[in-house]
Amino acid sequence: QKEVEQNSGPLSVPEGAIASLNCTYSDRGSQSFFWYRQYSGKSPELIMFIYSNGDKEDGRFTAQLNKASQYVSLLIRDSQPSDSATYLCAVSFPGTASKLTFGTGTRLQVTL
Amino acid sequence: KAGVTQTPRYLIKTRGQQVTLSCSPISGHRSVSWYQQTPGQGLQFLFEYFSETQRNKGNFPGRFSGRQFSNSRSEMNVSTLELGDSALYLCASSGTGDQPQHFGDGTRLSIL
Repeated sequence: QKEVEQNSGPLSVPEGAIASLNCTYSDRGSQSFFWYRQYSGKSPELIMFIYSNGDKEDGRFTAQLNKASQYVSLLIRDSQPSDSATYLCAVSFPGTASKLTFGTGTRLQVTL
Repeated sequence: KAGVTQTPRYLIKTRGQQVTLSCSPISGHRSVSWYQQTPGQGLQFLFEYFSETQRNKGNFPGRFSGRQFSNSRSEMNVSTLELGDSALYLCASSGTGDQPQHFGDGTRLSIL
């Protein structure tokens, strides 16, 4: 069974710090990796996606992918209270790009 | 560009009834996927439609079905509702290839 694992948290970081969110996946055939942010009572919002090994940066967000170790991470620089949410890691496989397998999410709390 | 639109936003039904949920994808997106989100199971893939054909299917009973129309709008039907079907039902659309999915606001279904 293809699994995606995340620490449920909460991960608490002070405002202005770097938040590091991690995700591991079980299937080496995994091809595409996504991070979604979900505020309480809202739907998931796409934050980052990464397909190749290495880092991908977009503003305050950096996604890191290491296929050999089967993990993907999300770094949030200069964390703000508005970043407080649940972050969902999702994975897709070749030929099933629109069938995402989600982790259970990590709850991030950014404290003042 | 308008996002993914789901209707209705909230629905209350009783056990044994059936329900139909609607999803209009982002303009130009031909792939529509449906997910169920519950506190216990997280986000789980139901099925995906592309060009009016079901392309992928998750591990849900046959009571869950869907269809897609020529304008890419999709509907999901759940028959013989059970208490356990209470959930947030999310629709996501994407373009061709490995383009990431974008979610609608969801339909919150409560079964009494």
